[in-house]
Amino acid sequence: EAQVTQNPRYLITVTGKKLTVTCSQNMNHEYMSWYRQDPGLGLRQIYYSMNVEVTDKGDVPEGYKVSRKEKRNFPLILESPSPNQTSLYFCASSPQGARGPTEAFFGQGTRLTVV
Amino acid sequence: GENVEQHPSTLSVQEGDSAVIKCTYSDSASNYFPWYKQELGKRPQLIIDIRSNVGEKKDQRIAVTLNKTAKHFSLHITETQPEDSAVYFCAREGVNDYKLSFGAGTTVTVRA
Repeated sequence: EAQVTQNPRYLITVTGKKLTVTCSQNMNHEYMSWYRQDPGLGLRQIYYSMNVEVTDKGDVPEGYKVSRKEKRNFPLILESPSPNQTSLYFCASSPQGARGPTEAFFGQGTRLTVV
Repeated sequence: GENVEQHPSTLSVQEGDSAVIKCTYSDSASNYFPWYKQELGKRPQLIIDIRSNVGEKKDQRIAVTLNKTAKHFSLHITETQPEDSAVYFCAREGVNDYKLSFGAGTTVTVRA
């Protein structure tokens, strides 16, 4: 089954404790991205990657890191989480069309709480 | 980041009526405009999209219109049904950087 898988689904952590949210896709998509969803703000792109070893900042990259060592994986790293990073996080992957990435396939989401 | 304004933030319609959601953007270097539907507790899913070389696109009860000159695009849902109740997000993708920017979302409630 074609899918984007995020882990964990739920995470409660303490301020300053490094954490990684994993994301894996089995559709051979070039484009992958991370979003955070907050009430009243919609989905905001954190980082995106056009292909292996290529990553770029989205609209809200501060406090986050990513890596793209393999095509299928795109982990999100919070080196020192803070309470303002409490949010619902989505990973997504997209196939590359003739004029750029097309439909985004989203993972099931990760609910992160930083206390 | 790239600004996408979406209106209204909430929309309540009687079953069978139409719903219209409008979005505006500021960066003219935008060429892809998708719409996503997110049901409660679920992930967003694409319902329709349009590229900048097209003015209108329809898929059954859903249509999207794009006015590149005015930098706005709209989602039209006709003959609304209870299963259309969800949060809808518009988005735009940059031509050069492929960044995807979303609107804040519209919560649509279809009253039976």
